Amino acid sequence: GNSVTQMEGPVTLSEEAFLTINCTYTATGYPSLFWYVQYPGEGLQLLLKATKADDKGSNKGFEATYRKETTSFHLEKGSVQVSDSAVYFCALRQGAQKLVFGQGTRLTINP
Amino acid sequence: DVKVTQSSRYLVKRTGEKVFLECVQDMDHENMFWYRQDPGLGLRLIYFSYDVKMKEKGDIPEGYSVSREKKERFSLILESASTNQTSMYLCASNPGTGVNSPLHFGNGTRLTVT
Repeated sequence: GNSVTQMEGPVTLSEEAFLTINCTYTATGYPSLFWYVQYPGEGLQLLLKATKADDKGSNKGFEATYRKETTSFHLEKGSVQVSDSAVYFCALRQGAQKLVFGQGTRLTINP
Repeated sequence: DVKVTQSSRYLVKRTGEKVFLECVQDMDHENMFWYRQDPGLGLRLIYFSYDVKMKEKGDIPEGYSVSREKKERFSLILESASTNQTSMYLCASNPGTGVNSPLHFGNGTRLTVT
């Protein structure tokens, strides 16, 4: 079946550092890929998405490129801020409306 | 803005109790979902509904049931709570059209079963 694997956390960085959170997936066909973010005490919210190979999703300085050849959708940001501290979830959707989530990566940014 | 409201932020129940978790959305969305979130396991789908009175099992439906009598409300029921159902429960909704429309989540209910 479909599955998503994220790099294990927690990840701790200093402010202005470069961020990469790895995400790889297993799916037949061509799923849509998503990154969701969960800030402390809140539900998840969509950060960015890509619906076909080589698409790049971007939002709030974060980017991720849909790489079909490596079945990956890594999240990157050039310069993180304390306010980026959150849990990040990679997810895929194929066919019907069900999303499949990765296990989440907790990110802490220190000033 | 879409609002998904879960009735309780924290809940403590005893083993064997029947537990109701309520979720209401205000954007006339067709689809509603219940997930549980556990450390290291991410989000796992319990049940979902595409329309009033319709329900489908997700990946981990055992020990749970759901009710959708009105379009805006989706209830999760733990028939007889057990300690392994201690978790964060998240409700979500999205429109029926548009396969890539994002899910809108509530803030979650942290349930502890003692």
